[in-house]
Amino acid sequence: SQQGEEDPQALSIQEGENATMNCSYKTSINNLQWYRQNSGRGLVHLILIRSNEREKHSGRLRVTLDTSKKSSSLLITASRAADTASYFCATDGKQTGANNLFFGTGTRLTVIP
Amino acid sequence: EAQVTQNPRYLITVTGKKLTVTCSQNMNHEYMSWYRQDPGLGLRQIYYSMNVEVTDKGDVPEGYKVSRKEKRNFPLILESPSPNQTSLYFCASSLLASGRTEQYFGPGTRLTVT
Repeated sequence: SQQGEEDPQALSIQEGENATMNCSYKTSINNLQWYRQNSGRGLVHLILIRSNEREKHSGRLRVTLDTSKKSSSLLITASRAADTASYFCATDGKQTGANNLFFGTGTRLTVIP
Repeated sequence: EAQVTQNPRYLITVTGKKLTVTCSQNMNHEYMSWYRQDPGLGLRQIYYSMNVEVTDKGDVPEGYKVSRKEKRNFPLILESPSPNQTSLYFCASSLLASGRTEQYFGPGTRLTVT
């Protein structure tokens, strides 16, 4: 399976702290995306990073990509209670093309007020 | 408002009774997908469509059918549902192929097959 894997599975932090989530994947990719899901609701796109990029920022989010290690990390700085959600990485497969997106199993983040 | 809508949001049915989950998007997107989400397994792609009348299998297509007769609609059909299809289903659309651009997800349909 090309599915990615997030680490840790669950993370609990205090409001104001930074949260780091990691994603590892198995095959070469064109792009990697991060999504957020509030409990039982639809996923919301956060950021897309291309295989030739190493780092990308969006507001309080910072994503890194290391294609040699087949891994990515999502950093949320100065966390807020509203950041409580599950976070998923998703990769396309260079061999299968960009039509298929493979999601990890997610990191459940809890931010304690 | 740009959105993906799904209906119904909740459905309880019995084994073997055919059902359809509708999906519609108002963003003129070429690409649409169906996913199922199960605890511990994440989201898995069922089918996708790159344009009208063009559909293809994803990771877990068995037991499902789709059609794309119009650009905005992409219904998911379960001809003979079984309990192992109990899951949370999401429809998604994107301007380009899913790996190249952000996907917009619907609110989800929680299906229980008894």
